[in-house]
Amino acid sequence: DTAVSQTPKYLVTQMGNDKSIKCEQNLGHDTMYWYKQDSKKFLKIMFSYNNKELIINETVPNRFSPKSPDKAHLNLHINSLELGDSAVYFCASSQASRLAGTQETQYFGPGTRLLVL
Amino acid sequence: QQQVKQSPQSLIVQKGGISIINCAYENTAFDYFPWYQQFPGKGPALLIAIRPDVSEKKEGRFTISFNKSAKQFSLHIMDSQPGDSATYFCAARRSSNTGKLIFGQGTTLQVKP
Repeated sequence: DTAVSQTPKYLVTQMGNDKSIKCEQNLGHDTMYWYKQDSKKFLKIMFSYNNKELIINETVPNRFSPKSPDKAHLNLHINSLELGDSAVYFCASSQASRLAGTQETQYFGPGTRLLVL
Repeated sequence: QQQVKQSPQSLIVQKGGISIINCAYENTAFDYFPWYQQFPGKGPALLIAIRPDVSEKKEGRFTISFNKSAKQFSLHIMDSQPGDSATYFCAARRSSNTGKLIFGQGTTLQVKP
């Protein structure tokens, strides 16, 4: 009955490799997010999709490419991995409130710990 | 304008004591202020949230105090317990369809038995 799940949980890879992280939510939400948490625990939003449409695209290197095949899934593909990409990546989801014109509570996944060697 | 500043960076409190974490923001368009709790190896989870039309919100041992004129808000944990030991993040957001949250830097709380 996991609400927001991510795979893999751990990812260790070499510099220059390409890797993907997958996220799925079973909450019926229509909005999904990717956050990066650095070694100092600072959380920063990277991307957000609403009904498969990109609505937030922060200043992120274009080596990072999100893909949302449907509103329950949001994947993150990273090309040419660099040492500085080492971090914990969190997926989150929420439901848009049409009445309020905003988003409801964001629910976070357990994170994917990426280590680039 | 987009920053949320959080302090202290770390906090040690004895069991039964009060833990207080403070946040300040600049953007007056922010209208939703949640606090998230994160245990080691887990994702952040919503603890409590407030909107600027009230000055205080209490849920169990957790209280948010909000000072709109000072653009500050704080989390108070009463009767702190060792199980409260975690990292706490304040955040802020303005009403929009994106739901973009701006997080503070986080406070690592240790409650000693």
